[in-house]
Amino acid sequence: NAGVTQTPKFQVLKTGQSMTLQCAQDMNHNSMYWYRQDPGMGLRLIYYSASEGTTDKGEVPNGYNVSRLNKREFSLRLESAAPSQTSVYFCASSTWTGQNTEAFFGQGTRLTVV
Amino acid sequence: AQSVTQPDIHITVSEGASLELRCNYSYGATPYLFWYVQSPGQGLQLLLKYFSGDTLVQGIKGFEAEFKRSQSSFNLRKPSVHWSDAAEYFCAVDARDDYKLSFGAGTTVTVRA
Repeated sequence: NAGVTQTPKFQVLKTGQSMTLQCAQDMNHNSMYWYRQDPGMGLRLIYYSASEGTTDKGEVPNGYNVSRLNKREFSLRLESAAPSQTSVYFCASSTWTGQNTEAFFGQGTRLTVV
Repeated sequence: AQSVTQPDIHITVSEGASLELRCNYSYGATPYLFWYVQSPGQGLQLLLKYFSGDTLVQGIKGFEAEFKRSQSSFNLRKPSVHWSDAAEYFCAVDARDDYKLSFGAGTTVTVRA
């Protein structure tokens, strides 16, 4: 039972390079999320997808793009990485079904931009 | 603007003592409310959640939380802390209508022997 799987787990980029963080869930959840976690700032929402075919900006979308490839997969792309994007990135998925509502998180991607 | 606030950045508690972590929200209506825990180097695990009904919610690992509508608060408590409770705790909120789960800045709990 994999849950939410993120790849890669670690990545070092040079300023200006691009990369895509991959996320897949096997729980048939409708909603998926990308967060970044920085010390003292908690988890800040970058983008989310309430359902397949939709994406919306969160609190800190600048410098990122997302693709909801299908119901299972939600990728995050950095087109031109900057040192300010050094962070730990978490993907999550959720189903909003009343009392059973719960978000599940991946193990995170630690990204360093030099 | 909608927001969730955790006023305490860091709390130190002795093993066996009680713990209370504060969470306040600013939303137009009662949102869905969650508490998550993150152990060092790990992902997030759900401790408990509130949607409606009984305002005292029981969770895993001996945690409970109380929803107080009049104070817009959802504080997390544990009667007796164990060393393994040292972690970062996050309050999270969803406005019920937009599937947008937002987190507070977190409270780091240190447990001393």
